[in-house]
Amino acid sequence: DQQVKQNSPSLSVQEGRISILNCDYTNSMFDYFLWYKKYPAEGPTFLISISSIKDKNEDGRFTVFLNKSAKHLSLHIVPSQPGDSAVYFCAATVPGNTPLVFGKGTRLSVIA
Amino acid sequence: KAGVTQTPRYLIKTRGQQVTLSCSPISGHRSVSWYQQTPGQGLQFLFEYFSETQRNKGNFPGRFSGRQFSNSRSEMNVSTLELGDSALYLCASSLVRQARGTEAFFGQGTRLTVV
Repeated sequence: DQQVKQNSPSLSVQEGRISILNCDYTNSMFDYFLWYKKYPAEGPTFLISISSIKDKNEDGRFTVFLNKSAKHLSLHIVPSQPGDSAVYFCAATVPGNTPLVFGKGTRLSVIA
Repeated sequence: KAGVTQTPRYLIKTRGQQVTLSCSPISGHRSVSWYQQTPGQGLQFLFEYFSETQRNKGNFPGRFSGRQFSNSRSEMNVSTLELGDSALYLCASSLVRQARGTEAFFGQGTRLTVV
C-alpha cells in the first residue's frame, strides 16, 4: 500500500521552461513533506521541505506547493537547467520520531 | 566534513549466502537509517538505529537485521539471500532521531546483486 505516490515515472522538459513534479499521499497524518534529488551512483540529497501549516515554500529556483485538502504536493523548478536532470523523490513523515516514507521517484530530463 | 560512507560499493552474492553492509555516518551524527531502493518500489525503510538501539523497523522479514556500534557506525546483515534482495541499499545519517525538520544525509549506497 503506497502511502506516497509519484504517478509519473518520467518527465522531459526543455531547458529554461518550468518543471512540475507531482506527488500524492493517502495518509492524512503526514504533516511534513520533503523532496530529495538523486543523481546516478549517488545517494539522494535533500532539496526542499514544507510543513503542513504552510501551503508554499520557496528556495531559489525551487518551490514546493502543498494542497492538504487534495493531499497533493508539487515541486516547481523554474527555470529548468540541464543539471537538474535527476530522479526526484517525494517523502513524508508523521509527527514524532518516525521514518521518512518515500514515493517511487520521477526521473526528470531537462533537454538543452 | 566527510559525508556518509558506505562499504562496499558493489557486491555480488549467491542465493542462500549472507551479506554484511557497513555505514559510517557523518561525524557527530547519532542516528543511522537504512533504506532499500529497487526500481519497482522506490525507497523503502528498513530500520533506524540511535544510540546503539534499534528505534524503528520497517516491514521486512527477519532475514534483515542490523546493529549500531558505540561510534555510531552501523552494519546491516541479510541472511539466506534471495534474488529479490538485489537492490541498492542506502544508509542515511542525521544528528538526532529522524523527525520532521531533520534532514537525512544519504551515502552513495551499496549495490547488491544476488545471482
